[in-house]
Amino acid sequence: ETGVTQTPRHLVMGMTNKKSLKCEQHLGHNAMYWYKQSAKKPLELMFVYSLEERVENNSVPSRFSPECPNSSHLFLHLHTLQPEDSALYLCASSQDRRQSFTEAFFGQGTRLTVV
Amino acid sequence: AQSVTQLDSQVPVFEEAPVELRCNYSSSVSVYLFWYVQYPNQGLQLLLKYLSGSTLVKGINGFEAEFNKSQTSFHLRKPSVHISDTAEYFCAVRAYNTDKLIFGTGTRLQVFP
Repeated sequence: ETGVTQTPRHLVMGMTNKKSLKCEQHLGHNAMYWYKQSAKKPLELMFVYSLEERVENNSVPSRFSPECPNSSHLFLHLHTLQPEDSALYLCASSQDRRQSFTEAFFGQGTRLTVV
Repeated sequence: AQSVTQLDSQVPVFEEAPVELRCNYSSSVSVYLFWYVQYPNQGLQLLLKYLSGSTLVKGINGFEAEFNKSQTSFHLRKPSVHISDTAEYFCAVRAYNTDKLIFGTGTRLQVFP
């Protein structure tokens, strides 16, 4: 148990569906991240939020829409995805660079399959 | 910008043998360095981290890593591996002045009996 919880653990969705991934942390961190992990590819940083403000968007397609309503919660809204978007989506949290440093803590991930 | 290179995509080794997983990084500013481990269908778990101070860092499960600034390396070592160490290992870097944690491509450690 790392203190970062992701739901659901598994998700199968059609290309026309709309779904959301949820991430929750109660570690008192103020930075949260979404990563995509595809088979045989490196971990890709998608989004970074610091104090609920998006500070990084790594050229992610608009069919992925993040939302950070508060420092404890992070969502990834999905719509009209493609089969190549199938991957393990990992959420992480840490303190941001303005605070005492901590490492990033990761959730267990959501295994997404787009059919 | 920062980048991380893990030269070995797979490292096969017999149980109780020593192992070294290599990691090199590139950065124009000072960085924090990390090794994470990922077991099948799991998230990433921190093995160890280098923030400052002693260049030899000890982590969980008997792993250690040495920060070498001149060679921009942070290789991970274990003197005697177990079957249970079979997993994917990721090296990561974070610059002091950013919130971005950048990962290498990972090294698959396969321990055989």
